[in-house]
Amino acid sequence: QVQLVQSGAEVKKPGASVKLSCKASGYTFTSYFIHWVRQAPGQGLEWMGIINPGDGTTSAAQKLQGRVTVTRDTSTSTVYLELRSLTSEDTAMYYCARGHSRQGFDSWGQGALVTVSS
Amino acid sequence: DIQMTQSPSTLSASVGDTVTITCRASQSVITWLAWYQQKPGKAPKLLIYKASTLESGVPSRFSGSGSGTEFTLTISSLQPDDFATYYCQQYESYSEYTFGQGTKLEIK
Repeated sequence: QVQLVQSGAEVKKPGASVKLSCKASGYTFTSYFIHWVRQAPGQGLEWMGIINPGDGTTSAAQKLQGRVTVTRDTSTSTVYLELRSLTSEDTAMYYCARGHSRQGFDSWGQGALVTVSS
Repeated sequence: DIQMTQSPSTLSASVGDTVTITCRASQSVITWLAWYQQKPGKAPKLLIYKASTLESGVPSRFSGSGSGTEFTLTISSLQPDDFATYYCQQYESYSEYTFGQGTKLEIK
């Protein structure tokens, strides 16, 4: 079955960077986009970025451009999200999700909590 | 950027009721709209995509409609498991995916 397994919780200081991983299994890795979505405590969902694992092309939300990088390793079917220059406003649960051919995000990782605190 | 506005923000209903949640886009998204259900401490779950197509395994009491800028999610005969927060999401563009602010469905 389709599974997206994310790396664990992180605690970072302001100004630091964080790199999260999302390991896919149960399907052809290069056939589905992977998205990153975050959710601050008690808040709604915010789309962050996308990668096409097939060719590595990416796009990021305008407000995060310059701070976020999404990469993939096809040898391990893993997608990475790096977020730099962290502030307290980046404290959130971060999810990866699979997207396919304009059919929404049909599978999600379990989430990884990132806490930014001095 | 395309903005998505859901209403209401909170909805109180009883088991057995039929409820409707509305989602409006700031510009046309054609039918590139999805609905998700999220329960506390859990990842969102896809319910409907392309405005009205039910995701596999989702009960038929969930239905979606609309096109252009106005969309609705209807839940018929509410079950106890349906009390959760619901989000719409537009995906008209490859480079921009926007969620609504969410609608919390509470037990009356």
